[in-house]
Amino acid sequence: TQLLEQSPQFLSIQEGENLTVYCNSSSVFSSLQWYRQEPGEGPVLLVTVVTGGEVKKLKRLTFQFGDARKDSSLHITAAQPGDTGLYLCAGIVSNAGGTSYGKLTFGQGTILTVHP
Amino acid sequence: DVKVTQSSRYLVKRTGEKVFLECVQDMDHENMFWYRQDPGLGLRLIYFSYDVKMKEKGDIPEGYSVSREKKERFSLILESASTNQTSMYLCASSPRDGLYEQYFGPGTRLTVT
Repeated sequence: TQLLEQSPQFLSIQEGENLTVYCNSSSVFSSLQWYRQEPGEGPVLLVTVVTGGEVKKLKRLTFQFGDARKDSSLHITAAQPGDTGLYLCAGIVSNAGGTSYGKLTFGQGTILTVHP
Repeated sequence: DVKVTQSSRYLVKRTGEKVFLECVQDMDHENMFWYRQDPGLGLRLIYFSYDVKMKEKGDIPEGYSVSREKKERFSLILESASTNQTSMYLCASSPRDGLYEQYFGPGTRLTVT
């Protein structure tokens, strides 16, 4: 069972369109991160959200953390070909006790292709 | 500029060979991780280490071992490579505290023939 469900798995759109990627779980996360990975490279951190209801913006990218800290979304406005890549959400499950050692739970990823 | 480097970008090995993948980080991070990434399966954690000489199994440790003799270096060892270990291997590091943001290396694409 995947702890973090990402949807959609694939997204193919034209330049200028808007899109939203979702990351959902039945577990509560103490923080949630979004990464972007380009072909042949390692993932690169885009943002971390910590507070329920938090919204962060990075140019044309808007990240939101759900009020209950169980879900998150990434919205891209006016997508460009340079946005093409694999988008991954990942988080630290909120635990009553124990140490996570920073072990992240990853979603399966969304492959985004933006056509010129 | 923070950096995680991996010893090879591409590697081709034969079945049964012992394979060493090395990862070095220059951020003085306590935590280091090894993942493999396969299409449709996402990132799967093989092993991680939270301190020198300390290691913990991840989700898929079978067929792998690790070594962390120095803080900046974390090695992944395939004791006897098999074709089902053909994959992209990613190393990452993160600080002990805070938001645990992970910094990844560029990956090693390993092919076992």
